Amino acid sequence: EAQVTQNPRYLITVTGKKLTVTCSQNMNHEYMSWYRQDPGLGLRQIYYSMNVEVTDKGDVPEGYKVSRKEKRNFPLILESPSPNQTSLYFCASSLPGTGRNEQYFGPGTRLTVT
Amino acid sequence: RKEVEQDPGPFNVPEGATVAFNCTYSNSASQSFFWYRQDCRKEPKLLMSVYSSGNEDGRFTAQLNRASQYISLLIRDSKLSDSATYLCVVKVDSNYQLIWGAGTKLIIKP
Repeated sequence: EAQVTQNPRYLITVTGKKLTVTCSQNMNHEYMSWYRQDPGLGLRQIYYSMNVEVTDKGDVPEGYKVSRKEKRNFPLILESPSPNQTSLYFCASSLPGTGRNEQYFGPGTRLTVT
Repeated sequence: RKEVEQDPGPFNVPEGATVAFNCTYSNSASQSFFWYRQDCRKEPKLLMSVYSSGNEDGRFTAQLNRASQYISLLIRDSKLSDSATYLCVVKVDSNYQLIWGAGTKLIIKP
């Protein structure tokens, strides 16, 4: 089954404790991205990657890091989480250049930083 | 002003009715447009792309008005299962970033 998986689905952590949210897709998509979704603000892009070893900042990259060592994986790293990073996070993948650019999303990770 | 704006709703609509909502965008260079559907606490899923000439997919019709910079979504004969949040998405094709609206919540009542 074609899918995007994220882990963990739920996480409660404390300020300053480094964490990684994993994202993996099995559709051989070149393009992957991370979003956060907050009430009233819609989806905001954190980072995106056009292909292996190619990453770029989105609209809200501060406090986050990513890496793209393999095509299928795109982990999101919070080196020192803070309460304002409490949010719902989605990973997505797509084939760039298709014109339609349908994004396939993972199920989401609900993060709470206390 | 937000780049993509939507009425947050909720729109409370009786089953079987027709409902329409709009989404306005500010960047006139925007070239690709989409409607996504998001169920409560779930991931967004593509509902339909929006073509320049307008397009229809079953009970759903999408329209684009470039002059006034808005897109619309019309749902006919609404079903209980149509209850969801509908997200408007705009893409400027010079890069791969998508700009998302905050969504319009639709509640279909029996």
